[in-house]
Amino acid sequence: QQPVQSPQAVILREGEDAVINCSSSKALYSVHWYRQKHGEAPVFLMILLKGGEQKGHDKISASFNEKKQQSSLYLTASQLSYSGTYFCGTETGQGGKLIFGQGTELSVKP
Amino acid sequence: SQTIHQWPATLVQPVGSPLSLECTVEGTSNPNLYWYRQAAGRGLQLLFYSVGIGQISSEVPQNLSASRPQDRQFILSSKKLLLSDSGFYLCAWSVDSLLAPYEQYFGPGTRLTVT
Repeated sequence: QQPVQSPQAVILREGEDAVINCSSSKALYSVHWYRQKHGEAPVFLMILLKGGEQKGHDKISASFNEKKQQSSLYLTASQLSYSGTYFCGTETGQGGKLIFGQGTELSVKP
Repeated sequence: SQTIHQWPATLVQPVGSPLSLECTVEGTSNPNLYWYRQAAGRGLQLLFYSVGIGQISSEVPQNLSASRPQDRQFILSSKKLLLSDSGFYLCAWSVDSLLAPYEQYFGPGTRLTVT
């Protein structure tokens, strides 16, 4: 079952914050976040494991609420380089198979 | 360091023609390998994944097939392409581990247009 991402698209000014949500109808083993620039391959951002942890590097962080089967990606003080489509990938069991959400298109304007 | 290669980068094929896309990984052993397809402006659809030579799991029944003849080689094929096969095909690899999930690394992709 494909996870649902919201919002589908968001436009920001440089320096503004954004939150991207990812919800699943199934119990999750892990959640992966990727960013894809137009015409390029997706690039890994971070993995969150069940246990309700929060991770982050630089101004991008994420949380994982195992009970709610949800993950959120937080982008603070956005930069132009943050523009792209963000995908969450969910893993419902061990084995490495990911099911990706439909993506959230983020545009950061000067 | 590990690298992943895909070729060709772009391909234009007529309906009904065969297809062969190749993916190879360097710098790692026994990786998990994946084929995804991305239609224009859409998400990533998992097509096949493999945990070892000759071990292929199909996620979407269609006219595509995959093979893994060597540890670090993954091939996507079709005998007869359909218009709906157009898209951006991405190969990815990850460390094979049952202990913890690992990130997937994507190749540069093949943009296929079926005419």
